[in-house]
Amino acid sequence: GQNIDQPTEMTATEGAIVQINCTYQTSGFNGLFWYQQHAGEAPTFLSYNVLDGLEEKGRFSSFLSRSKGYSYLLLKELQMKDSASYLCAVRDPSPAGNMLTFGGGTRLMVKP
Amino acid sequence: DAGVIQSPRHEVTEMGQEVTLRCKPISGHDYLFWYRQTMMRGLELLIYFNNNVPIDDSGMPEDRFSAKMPNASFSTLKIQPSEPRDSAVYFCASSSGGLGQPQHFGDGTRLSIL
Repeated sequence: GQNIDQPTEMTATEGAIVQINCTYQTSGFNGLFWYQQHAGEAPTFLSYNVLDGLEEKGRFSSFLSRSKGYSYLLLKELQMKDSASYLCAVRDPSPAGNMLTFGGGTRLMVKP
Repeated sequence: DAGVIQSPRHEVTEMGQEVTLRCKPISGHDYLFWYRQTMMRGLELLIYFNNNVPIDDSGMPEDRFSAKMPNASFSTLKIQPSEPRDSAVYFCASSSGGLGQPQHFGDGTRLSIL
């Protein structure tokens, strides 16, 4: 099975940097995704990691350590529009599988 | 490019009624997923299809739920009979195969069972 943990809520200030952590215990691993979900909207894809290290995409970066079962999403130069839930998801390890198991999400509130 | 299209966007119905949710995946995607999202349980996978064939339905709550994919461009999720505890947002998502291919979500159907 898959067990994925994220903090429930975080608060940060506009212009600052925030790190959202995700830990997982899984029977196998085939990649980790981060999604952003604004209230009342659908999740949208942010990043994907399958190898250890940091992937950078503009203001957002995602890090993975497979040996530690740990990932984080780093948001820089926070903007008010970054207030949303951030979902960590682990991909099914079977070769033919393509399913994701999602964590409960971290609700980020950005304050002026 | 058109994204995943779901209908209806909102559905309010009485307990015991049949509910049918519809989804059109992104053209060319061979995986289709149905999820349910609630405050208590988060985003849960109900069932997914590959090339129109159901691969894993272990998340389907009970026999009242059924899903079909008659062709590559259409899928339905049916609840019969519906119960108040089925109230949730139901998302459909699609993806192509291959490592790292993200799932693309539709706007969801907000279902309320009275």
